[in-house]
Amino acid sequence: QQPVQSPQAVILREGEDAVINCSSSKALYSVHWYRQKHGEAPVFLMILLKGGEQKGHEKISASFNEKKQQSSLYLTASQLSYSGTYFCGTSEVPNAGGTSYGKLTFGQGTILTVHP
Amino acid sequence: KAGVTQTPRYLIKTRGQQVTLSCSPISGHRSVSWYQQTPGQGLQFLFEYFSETQRNKGNFPGRFSGRQFSNSRSEMNVSTLELGDSALYLCASSYRTAGGVVQTGGANVLTFGAGSRLTVL
Repeated sequence: QQPVQSPQAVILREGEDAVINCSSSKALYSVHWYRQKHGEAPVFLMILLKGGEQKGHEKISASFNEKKQQSSLYLTASQLSYSGTYFCGTSEVPNAGGTSYGKLTFGQGTILTVHP
Repeated sequence: KAGVTQTPRYLIKTRGQQVTLSCSPISGHRSVSWYQQTPGQGLQFLFEYFSETQRNKGNFPGRFSGRQFSNSRSEMNVSTLELGDSALYLCASSYRTAGGVVQTGGANVLTFGAGSRLTVL
């Protein structure tokens, strides 16, 4: 079952902030955030591991609430280059063989548009 | 450092044909995962290979298969193509240890290739 992202779309003016949420019904080991621009490959932004937080960019941060299995991506002082579709990808707690790391279950995506 | 390379970038096939897509991971990356991206279903996991062995498989029919070579390069094959197979097929590589332990620095971060866009007519 894929994680649920909200909102589905966001429209901002340059300099405004945005929050994108990702919620899962499963026990998560990690949450990944990617941004994909039209016609391009998804690009890694950030990873949050169970028990920790890892920041990928200066103006983009994220949190991971393990109790609620929810993650939020915070984009501050948005720039035109932030426009794109943001995906959260989740991995579940690995099994004994540790074989779940290459498998991410992605949310449906949040379309972010930043206007001048 | 070269990124993930996928070939071909675009291809058109007809129903019933088969197709083979290739992926060369980042040097040093031993894990290769494949994803299908469509407007309706989004990004869906196909399978993951590590050390020439399939480690994970998504919910796709047996027409979808893959393999990994000793140099970590991977191929995926779709046989008996259907119209619904039209999609962007993305390959992603990651640095994964034999024990699957997640290392600091985001070792299990996926780096995606530009994709192979398949159109089935």
